[in-house]
Amino acid sequence: EDKVVQSPLSLVVHEGDTVTLNCSYEVTNFRSLLWYKQEKKAPTFLFMLTSSGIEKKSGRLSSILDKKELFSILNITATQTGDSAIYLCAGPMEYGNKLVFGAGTILRVKS
Amino acid sequence: NAGVTQTPKFQVLKTGQSMTLQCAQDMNHEYMSWYRQDPGMGLRLIHYSVGAGITDQGEVPNGYNVSRSTTEDFPLRLLSAAPSQTSVYFCASRGGVPPYEQYFGPGTRLTVT
Repeated sequence: EDKVVQSPLSLVVHEGDTVTLNCSYEVTNFRSLLWYKQEKKAPTFLFMLTSSGIEKKSGRLSSILDKKELFSILNITATQTGDSAIYLCAGPMEYGNKLVFGAGTILRVKS
Repeated sequence: NAGVTQTPKFQVLKTGQSMTLQCAQDMNHEYMSWYRQDPGMGLRLIHYSVGAGITDQGEVPNGYNVSRSTTEDFPLRLLSAAPSQTSVYFCASRGGVPPYEQYFGPGTRLTVT
């Protein structure tokens, strides 16, 4: 059964800290892995990763994929209170729309 | 572009009532999905569609029906609401080419008493 597992489930840090969020997956027809940030409403897209070892970067956020070990990490440097959110990773399993989401990591950044 | 729209934003139902959650997108996307989100469970796929006239079950389809008569609309029907269906429901759509980014609607918070 295809699945995506995220860790930790929740995390509390102070502003300025660096955090690493983990996502491991088992999908039979891996195509790509996606990261989303969810604040109070709908998830918003952060990154899509398809190739191992190539870092995607957007400001203080970066992510990398390891297809051999079947995991991805999302790094946030110099965290700010606005980074407080649920971070979701998801893997499309096949041609079509069957995205499988992990349970998410709840990040709280304290000022 | 409005993107993905959902109505209603909030709904309270009594056990046994039926209702339809509406979802529409104006991006001419082929793929549309319905998810439910419960605390600690992430997003779970209910039903999805790969084009008008084509639907399939996701991870948690029981108690829900869908249809896709047009590219734009993908309504989700609750046949006989149960308290276990209390959740936040998201509709999403995406095109058929990379980056396969899904666009989510704003969500519907449903409470079944």
